Amino acid sequence: DGVITQSPLSLPVTLGQPASISCRSSQGLVYSDGNTYLNWFQQRPGQSPRRLIYKVSNRDSGVPDRFSGSGSGTDFTLKISRVEAEDVGIYYCMQGTHWPWTFGQGTRVEIK
Amino acid sequence: QRQLVESGGGLVKPGGSLRLSCVASGFTISEGYMSWIRQAPGKGLEWLSYISSSSSDTNYADSVKGRFTISRDNTKNSLYLQMNSLRAEDTAVYYCVRGTRDGGSVWGQGTTVTVSS
Repeated sequence: DGVITQSPLSLPVTLGQPASISCRSSQGLVYSDGNTYLNWFQQRPGQSPRRLIYKVSNRDSGVPDRFSGSGSGTDFTLKISRVEAEDVGIYYCMQGTHWPWTFGQGTRVEIK
Repeated sequence: QRQLVESGGGLVKPGGSLRLSCVASGFTISEGYMSWIRQAPGKGLEWLSYISSSSSDTNYADSVKGRFTISRDNTKNSLYLQMNSLRAEDTAVYYCVRGTRDGGSVWGQGTTVTVSS
């Protein structure tokens, strides 16, 4: 199975400061159609996961532009330019290139 | 507003069966693939299965292959997951999702399955 490793697993951040989460895959994530299926999710406390970013860098409708995704090959990053209180939660990356599609362990973002 | 609502979860004994349902509103599920994902208590996410719009293409994670069956009824705008031979490790919140390898643009609120004697 494709192993996805996130870091850090816990991320205390000061309000208004940037945050960055890394996601590393054990295999390259370019699919046969040329797309790279690396997606990012936010799960707020008590809620279902919500997709933020799909195919590395495409932001979902309604997602604030302070969220951005980047990367290629096996290394990817989710950045929050200025953390707000509503950003508290667990963030997951997920690869949809190799079946079974797999998620990272999750990164817990909290306010310092 | 596009929405998915799961139902059918509950408490079941090991070896028992459950059938989960998911009804869509605000969009037509016949337009594309649908999936089931689960999250064990305090754990991460596991993609279990997906099904194509015509039901001709399905796939399962090894952890549920041979025990779970995904199906859909486009006329009822509904997705299903038949779960047999349930085990304690199947205890989780089960999510219905619109989409597949792109991560899914719509997720349900989840239904809780508890397998315990």
